[in-house]
Formats: sequence, C-alpha cells, structure tokens
Amino acid sequence: NAGVTQTPKFQVLKTGQSMTLQCAQDMNHEYMSWYRQDPGMGLRLIHYSVGAGITDQGEVPNGYNVSRSTTEDFPLRLLSAAPSQTSVYFCASKRTDSYNEQFFGPGTRLTVL
Amino acid sequence: QQQVKQSPQSLIVQKGGISIINCAYENTAFDYFPWYQQFPGKGPALLIAIRPDVSEKKEGRFTISFNKSAKQFSLHIMDSQPGDSATYFCAASRGGRRALTFGSGTRLQVQP
Repeated sequence: NAGVTQTPKFQVLKTGQSMTLQCAQDMNHEYMSWYRQDPGMGLRLIHYSVGAGITDQGEVPNGYNVSRSTTEDFPLRLLSAAPSQTSVYFCASKRTDSYNEQFFGPGTRLTVL
Repeated sequence: QQQVKQSPQSLIVQKGGISIINCAYENTAFDYFPWYQQFPGKGPALLIAIRPDVSEKKEGRFTISFNKSAKQFSLHIMDSQPGDSATYFCAASRGGRRALTFGSGTRLQVQP
C-alpha cells in the first residue's frame, strides 16, 4: 500500500492564482481531512469528509474548497491564493468505525508571494 | 479558542534522560488522546494513544499518563535517544468519527 499520497511536494504561487492540492489514499478509509501546519500553531483542520459526497468545514476553512467524489481522492482547492495561505498542508485519512489511527501524507509546502 | 494546550514549546534533554511533555484540554467530551511524532520534512505519525478509562499506557520507552479530573495528559519518554529528536503533538477527539484537535507542538532535541 502507498498509504496517503500528496502532490505536489512544493509549490510557489503568486497572489490571486488558483491551484489544487491533490490527496489520495489506497486504504479504503471513509474519513479524510486536510490540515495546515504553521509554526507554533500545531495542525489546524481546514476541511474534512466522512465519505464520498460528504464534506464539512473545520477550524480554518476560509479560502479553501474541497470535494469528495470518490473514496480514494480528496483534493483541496485554493481559488485565489493569499500570502496568509503560505503553509505546509497535510492530508490525512482513517477509518470511522472506531478509535483508529489517522494516517498522514508527506505534506505540500506552499509559498504564496 | 485553543482546546488543547501543550507545553513546553521546546525541550532539550541529554541522552538517557527523561523527556516530559504536557497537555491540558478543556472539552470534557473528548474521549481519545493520541500523541503524534513528526520528523523534519515528514508527516506526523501516531506514537501512542490512550482512552480515559485508564490512567496510564506504556509502549516501550513511551508512556502516557492521564488525569481525567485535572483534564491533563502527558507523554514521558524514558532513556531518551538522539533518534527521538522530533516534534511531538498531543491531540484529542470525541469519538472515532470526529476530527482530531491538536496541541501546538513540542520540539524535542536529545543531545548525545
């Protein structure tokens, strides 16, 4: 199993540009989520999904959109990038039937100029 | 509102020493408390987790101590090694379908 994969690994955007961060998992996990990691602030939840067709907002959803058309994929879209979105983004997945381990991807380091 | 508070922000320990990281939570509905370990350039990975029905859980050199009445839990790393140098995050959630709420992280450096 590849686990949770994320692309790209690094990205530089200009203010106002749009892009999609890709996330895929091959563990048939129902639950997937996106976090951003900033120095001294831990990991903050952006959006999450408990299954295909179901998404919900987390702690810091503004400026981000998500969709979940398949169990495997959970892309994160930045419609109009801002410097405040400079961060490291992590995708994660887990089963929902009990207290299961959440698996994280390797992250995408995004810089918005 | 920071629901999980973690301290210290950074920690330097000598090889063979004990590393202690503390977390406090506010939401009494939390019932799952994992610790994640993150190496530079990598995603966090589950280290150890505890449910509130026990006061302590040990896995090798890593121990979680849990105090339900004080709403606090801590990670103890015994015989700390340079390979333990990483950032550690505590977290909490309500049930298996809920998102994890993370602490702010502790950067541990174990000196040889």
